[in-house]
Amino acid sequence: EDQVTQSPEALRLQEGESSSLNCSYTVSGLRGLFWYRQDPGKGPEFLFTLYSAGEEKEKERLKATLTKKESFLHITAPKPEDSATYLCAGGYTGNQFYFGTGTSLTVIP
Amino acid sequence: KAGVTQTPRYLIKTRGQQVTLSCSPISGHRSVSWYQQTPGQGLQFLFEYFSETQRNKGNFPGRFSGRQFSNSRSEMNVSTLELGDSALYLCASSFQFQYTEAFFGQGTRLTVV
Repeated sequence: EDQVTQSPEALRLQEGESSSLNCSYTVSGLRGLFWYRQDPGKGPEFLFTLYSAGEEKEKERLKATLTKKESFLHITAPKPEDSATYLCAGGYTGNQFYFGTGTSLTVIP
Repeated sequence: KAGVTQTPRYLIKTRGQQVTLSCSPISGHRSVSWYQQTPGQGLQFLFEYFSETQRNKGNFPGRFSGRQFSNSRSEMNVSTLELGDSALYLCASSFQFQYTEAFFGQGTRLTVV
């Protein structure tokens, strides 16, 4: 069965303390790997799409990378406003995404 | 450019009733997907519509149904509501069918009492 697993479940960082979030996915049939940010009570906000191993994308303090079996979301020098739940999703069939359970990030001033 | 609009934002229904949720996608987007989000299960795919046709369906009972209109707006319906249907229902729109990023609305918070 298609599966996406995220770790850690929760992460607390001091402001400025860089770290990485992990997303492992079922390799067979993956057509795209997507990263989203979700704030409480809101819908997920699109961040990145990665299609092939070795691909990297950046946006402000975030950089997403893709290997043959994992994706990483690197957060450099985070700020309190980066606090949110970060979701990754695998696209296997059409636009049906399989979401991981997310990493809840808290950045302490 | 307007984003994905979902109405209503909040709903309280009684067990056994039915409910209809609405989603207006981003202008020009023809694919609309629906997801259920709960604390225990996370985001679960319900179904996807493209050009008024259901293209994919998740593993939900037949009480969950949907449709898409010619202007790409979509509705989902849940009949015979159960307490376990309480969730945040999210709609996402994509420009085309197949492996493209999806943009989500704010969701409809459904509470079944």
